[in-house]
Amino acid sequence: AQSVTQLDSQVPVFEEAPVELRCNYSSSVSVYLFWYVQYPNQGLQLLLKYLSGSTLVKGINGFEAEFNKSQTSFHLRKPSVHISDTAEYFCAVSESLNYGGSQGNLIFGKGTKLSVKP
Amino acid sequence: EAQVTQNPRYLITVTGKKLTVTCSQNMNHEYMSWYRQDPGLGLRQIYYSMNVEVTDKGDVPEGYKVSRKEKRNFPLILESPSPNQTSLYFCASWGRRVGDTQYFGPGTRLTVL
Repeated sequence: AQSVTQLDSQVPVFEEAPVELRCNYSSSVSVYLFWYVQYPNQGLQLLLKYLSGSTLVKGINGFEAEFNKSQTSFHLRKPSVHISDTAEYFCAVSESLNYGGSQGNLIFGKGTKLSVKP
Repeated sequence: EAQVTQNPRYLITVTGKKLTVTCSQNMNHEYMSWYRQDPGLGLRQIYYSMNVEVTDKGDVPEGYKVSRKEKRNFPLILESPSPNQTSLYFCASWGRRVGDTQYFGPGTRLTVL
């Protein structure tokens, strides 16, 4: 069965500092990987996704993530954060054989709250 | 504008009083899903639908019902709500292409007293 572990529940960081939000997954088959962001009192918005090809994926708002198959990780990074990046970030995984087929079930991690301080 | 809408956004009710949360999408997506979000647990899938009249259970279906009579609508029904169903609920939709992005509604915050 698939699972997603977000290693940090909260990450405080100062404005303009770099940040890395960690995500590890477990699956016995190939996967698709996603990062979603949830701003306060809003729904989830896709930041980026990895389906295939280059392991470095660039998303919106200057975020990027690197898929590492050997370490089963998909860490999210940003070289310089802004106050407006304060939000909760969710990593999600779906088995590639199922996605777009019978289920498309996303398994979410428990989220990481990023708090950017001035 | 492509969007998923949910109504109501906020609801306070009492134990046992049937309620329906509506979800509608304007992207002609085949797939739709309901999730609940609880602190420290992330999002968990309740039910999903692959197309009209085709639905299946997710990870936490107990106490919920769904229907998909039209492609654009996917209501979530709580026939006899209980306090443990107090949560933040999200509806999502996506298309049939491999790796399609799931689009989420704004959420419905439900409190069951």
